[in-house]
Formats: sequence, C-alpha cells, structure tokens
Amino acid sequence: QQQVKQSPQSLIVQKGGIPIINCAYENTAFDYFPWYQQFPGKGPALLIAIRPDVSEKKEGRFTISFNKSAKQFSLHIMDSQPGDSATYFCAASENDYKLSFGAGTTVTVRA
Amino acid sequence: GAVVSQHPSRVICKSGTSVKIECRSLDFQATTMFWYRQFPKKSLMLMATSNEGSKATYEQGVEKDKFLINHASLTLSTLTVTSAHPEDSSFYICSATRQAAEAFFGQGTRLTVV
Repeated sequence: QQQVKQSPQSLIVQKGGIPIINCAYENTAFDYFPWYQQFPGKGPALLIAIRPDVSEKKEGRFTISFNKSAKQFSLHIMDSQPGDSATYFCAASENDYKLSFGAGTTVTVRA
Repeated sequence: GAVVSQHPSRVICKSGTSVKIECRSLDFQATTMFWYRQFPKKSLMLMATSNEGSKATYEQGVEKDKFLINHASLTLSTLTVTSAHPEDSSFYICSATRQAAEAFFGQGTRLTVV
C-alpha cells in the first residue's frame, strides 16, 4: 500500500517550461517531505525538502508548494533545462524515520 | 551534500554464490542506514533498516536469511545476498540518515545473477 501517491507518471515539456509534479498523502503524522532526483543507473539525490510549518520553499530553480489542509505537496521546476530530464520522487516520513516514496515521475525536457 | 559511497557499482555473479555490497557514509556518522531494491522504472522498495550495533529490521516479505545485513560501525553497513538466484538480479541502493530525516543515497549496485 503506497502511502504517498505521486502524479503524473511521466511528462514532457519544452526547454524553459515548468514541469509540475504532485504528491498526496493520508498520514497526518508525516512531518518531513523531501524530493529526490534520480538519473538512470544512479542513486537518488536529495533536491529539496520541506516541513509542514511552511507553505513554500525555493532552492534555485526548484520550488516546493505545500498544502497541509489538503495533504498535498508539489514540485515545480522553473526554467527547465534538458539536463533536468530525470525521474523525480517525492517522499514523506514521520519522526525523522524511514521514508515512504511516491511512484516516481519521469520528466523529459526537450531542447 | 553529504557523501554516501556504495561499492561495487556493478557485479555479476553465478547462481548459488553470495555477493556483498558495502555502504559507507564518508563524512558523517550514521546510526541508521536503509537498504532498498529498485526494479526498472519503479520506485524504491525498502528492504530493511540497519541500526549500528543491533540487528536489522526487515520489511514484510523480505527474507532475512537471504539478505544479510550487518552494521558494524557508524560509517559502514553491508548487505550480503546469499545463494543468489536470477530473480535476485536488481538495483540495490543504500541510504544513510544524517539528521532530521535527511537521507543521502549511495550510487546503487546493479546485481546480475547468471
């Protein structure tokens, strides 16, 4: 049973576009929400993370929007580049413990 | 970010043999490490939680006698796939948690059992 539901499964944007990936959860005890980027044949790399006490966090071209009441959070990639083409995973954990991952979204940025 | 080193990155072994995969946190002490398995185009599936100095905690459905985990120090955890079979072929990834759930992942190990 997947505790974090992620959508879409894949998306394609043109260079400069803004891919948006959405995640939803049910467990209100979750208190840490990271996003990971994974390239083929590599381990995931932490991109950005947020806690429920803020509604938005930006790091470079990556922005997390968090809606606590709706139990949803999303990743926006501003001014996307072909090098951003990768699989992105959202995740959640409670009490700083093990992560529950979404199913992943494959993003393709066309030049 | 913190560095977690996983070795080897690729291994091919014969059916029936055992393979050991190492996971090291290079610049921080990790009391907890996690082992995942990932199938092609799928998400990470947690196999077990490795705690330094104690027995690993395995997720439901994961055979602990098949996937032996040892966490002998604060910087090293090992996963040994015993009596490997072709169905064990997969991408195995470790992670180490530094603080506040901040997890850093190794590069992954592609295991192929022939």
